[in-house]
Amino acid sequence: DTAVSQTPKYLVTQMGNDKSIKCEQNLGHDTMYWYKQDSKKFLKIMFSYNNKELIINETVPNRFSPKSPDKAHLNLHINSLELGDSAVYFCASSQSQGYGELFFGEGSRLTVL
Amino acid sequence: DQQVKQNSPSLSVQEGRISILNCDYTNSMFDYFLWYKKYPAEGPTFLISISSIKDKNEDGRFTVFLNKSAKHLSLHIVPSQPGDSAVYFCAAILTGNQFYFGTGTSLTVIP
Repeated sequence: DTAVSQTPKYLVTQMGNDKSIKCEQNLGHDTMYWYKQDSKKFLKIMFSYNNKELIINETVPNRFSPKSPDKAHLNLHINSLELGDSAVYFCASSQSQGYGELFFGEGSRLTVL
Repeated sequence: DQQVKQNSPSLSVQEGRISILNCDYTNSMFDYFLWYKKYPAEGPTFLISISSIKDKNEDGRFTVFLNKSAKHLSLHIVPSQPGDSAVYFCAAILTGNQFYFGTGTSLTVIP
């Protein structure tokens, strides 16, 4: 049973398209995140949701819109894709109480042509 | 502004020897630190952590050392095994579960 699962694993698309990446966790965690790992391998936080409520929103273009229908799901929708959006996007979750470790999904590699 | 830095992008070590991975941070408000291990095409997985009130935490072959005055963290793996070959990320936490990651160090353990 995969604890944090995200789909699709690979996504190749043209500039200007709109795409979504879905994430689900079955760990009962309260907090979910989206991270972006760019070509320099830097893992950078994009968003964090706690119980469906946005708590971290780093400097990310508003073409990126997270949606949390319930605390087990956090989807990422990207409008008008640009070449610079090509990266690996990781979903993660953690318990909100104390210093819980992050549990990551396998990553979704997005390539914008 | 990168608050957690891993200045060595790669490291090669002979099997059986010690691997030492280093991490520096700039924000003195970080109070919890973690190491994650990542294999290709997989998400990072938690390895070991340390609270800022400690200077050492050990788990089997893995030991994390924290030097708060130097704002420096290190991970020691001894003895190193070929299966340890992976990318290792250092991470630091501010309150509110804000994780900050380094850029990773790719460890290769040579049989």
